[in-house]
Amino acid sequence: DGGITQSPKYLFRKEGQNVTLSCEQNLNHDAMYWYRQDPGQGLRLIYYSQIVNDFQKGDIAEGYSVSREKKESFPLTVTSAQKNPTAFYLCASSPPGALRTEAFFGQGTRLTVV
Amino acid sequence: QKEVEQNSGPLSVPEGAIASLNCTYSDRGSQSFFWYRQYSGKSPELIMFIYSNGDKEDGRFTAQLNKASQYVSLLIRDSQPSDSATYLCAVGTGGFKTIFGAGTRLFVKA
Repeated sequence: DGGITQSPKYLFRKEGQNVTLSCEQNLNHDAMYWYRQDPGQGLRLIYYSQIVNDFQKGDIAEGYSVSREKKESFPLTVTSAQKNPTAFYLCASSPPGALRTEAFFGQGTRLTVV
Repeated sequence: QKEVEQNSGPLSVPEGAIASLNCTYSDRGSQSFFWYRQYSGKSPELIMFIYSNGDKEDGRFTAQLNKASQYVSLLIRDSQPSDSATYLCAVGTGGFKTIFGAGTRLFVKA
């Protein structure tokens, strides 16, 4: 059963704490993405990766870090430098091809600062 | 700054009517266009994609693209209460990046 799995579904972070969101896919997609969604807003790109061991900053990368050591995995760390991390985080992947950039999404992780 | 603009809504239509959702984009070099449906608290799911000017139909959904006007729309025929959701327009600008609009909330009244 192919898809993208994000965990945990809900995550609570204390002030000054780093947390890591997991994203795993078995779709054999090369490209993977992390988006942030705030209430009433669209998706904003945090980081993306086209191949293993390579990734690029998106529009709002400050306070976040990623790694891509395996094709299947693209974890996102929300660092203490991210001052307003409460949001819905979505991981996605897309198949190869110049036009085929449609994204397949995981079920999301809702992060709350407590 | 490449942008994708949508009316935030809510757009309210009666059951059985046609819902029309609109989207404009700023990058003339955009190549691919997508509509996603997102239920409250859930992740987006792809419902339509279109690459060429004109109409593309899939069941009750029709996507329309006009590259000259930089305009893409989604029509939902015979709207059902289960269609009530936020619809996100997304534009592929080449390479691996996609720009998302903020979404239009649709409410279908039974």
